Amino acid sequence: QSALTQPASVSGSPGQSITISCTGTSSDVGGYNYVSWYQQHPGKAPKLMIYEVSNRPSGVPDRFSGSKSGNTASLTISGLQAEDEADYYCSSYTSSSTWVFGGGTKLTVL
Amino acid sequence: QVQLVQSGAEVKKPGASVKVSCKASGYTFTSYYMHWVRQAPGQGLEWMGIINPSGGSTSYAQKFQGRVTMTRDTSTSTVYMELSSLRSEDTAVYYCARELVVVAAQGWYYYGMDVWGQGTTVTVSS
Repeated sequence: QSALTQPASVSGSPGQSITISCTGTSSDVGGYNYVSWYQQHPGKAPKLMIYEVSNRPSGVPDRFSGSKSGNTASLTISGLQAEDEADYYCSSYTSSSTWVFGGGTKLTVL
Repeated sequence: QVQLVQSGAEVKKPGASVKVSCKASGYTFTSYYMHWVRQAPGQGLEWMGIINPSGGSTSYAQKFQGRVTMTRDTSTSTVYMELSSLRSEDTAVYYCARELVVVAAQGWYYYGMDVWGQGTTVTVSS
């Protein structure tokens, strides 16, 4: 199972919006609505930000949103804040009853 | 409060095995699946496998098939991940993370890895 494809880095200024893509195949992202997104600050455990493509857990700001089209899922962060600077990972359930992560995207808030 | 507490750091020689524990508290242990995820230094997250603490069923990433074993002890609300034939590339931080999986008439629902352990550093070095 190959890792999902994410851009290595994205950047934006405070207040702006950014989108991180996550591309897989019809055997994972495209085949199921079981895509999750995780935020990880240096030296910390990952934190769940989005599950089932577009659902936000309690406590996650509504500035974070998720969507999917075909084999590509996306995480959008609007109204960027300094504390959003972190690594972001997508994850998907697969047809092999396994999970797979993306390679990760480093978000820099300029 | 809900938490997953992992065992301490390990240093192992190549060819050895390591067993990492993850003790759950603050919720019904058998109601949530448990994933194991690792992160090599400076690298991304890598999914290793999952165990259903209720029945003990497991699913492993193909990469680790034959080398990894995940088990659970419901009496202590603890899951274990054992990795054998260690090599230097297995040096990483190993995390456990729970996920609520609901099977309903309409289908299956996966609620994401919402609680993570603090991580266990495993160093493989001769």
